[in-house]
Amino acid sequence: QQQVKQSPQSLIVQKGGISIINCAYENTAFDYFPWYQQFPGKGPALLIAIRPDVSEKKEGRFTISFNKSAKQFSLHIMDSQPGDSATYFCAASWRNQGGKLIFGQGTELSVKP
Amino acid sequence: GAVVSQHPSRVICKSGTSVKIECRSLDFQATTMFWYRQFPKQSLMLMATSNEGSKATYEQGVEKDKFLINHASLTLSTLTVTSAHPEDSSFYICSARDPSQTNYGYTFGSGTRLTVV
Repeated sequence: QQQVKQSPQSLIVQKGGISIINCAYENTAFDYFPWYQQFPGKGPALLIAIRPDVSEKKEGRFTISFNKSAKQFSLHIMDSQPGDSATYFCAASWRNQGGKLIFGQGTELSVKP
Repeated sequence: GAVVSQHPSRVICKSGTSVKIECRSLDFQATTMFWYRQFPKQSLMLMATSNEGSKATYEQGVEKDKFLINHASLTLSTLTVTSAHPEDSSFYICSARDPSQTNYGYTFGSGTRLTVV
């Protein structure tokens, strides 16, 4: 019940295209849903995050869509660039667990020039 | 913004020795820090939650006697891998949250690549 399931495992997108990564969760107590970007050999960096009281959040080329009833959320990267090539992780956390993050399995994104 | 510094970035040690990894919050005080482990091409797995001034809370399956965590101050947590073996080779990452931020913004360190030979 604490799992966060992420798909696809890998994704290849042409430069300028839209990258879409999906996550699903079971625990309705989750109240914070961040996305992290990780480059090889580096720690994850927070990209964008959303709370369940909103259905969408946009920051630059990155958008989170959140469907509370379906218990799903997704990351959309518009106008994907080769520099976006990295591994992306969705995550979830909830206050009563001290804020610890549960991570999805990760998606390796490759943006082809 | 919040910065978490992790050292060393890479370490190679001999089997049977111990290795200490430091995690520091540079511009904020962190009462809680988290330690993760990541194998190649896999996700981050939470190992333990480090609480300043008290014992760490370990996730199920993590040997607390092997992975010693000390959170002696509000800006420093250390992870010591004791009697390291090749199977302990992994990427270890810490994270901390700036309590002054209204969201849950966790900042991660840059990670430590441990290789046990």
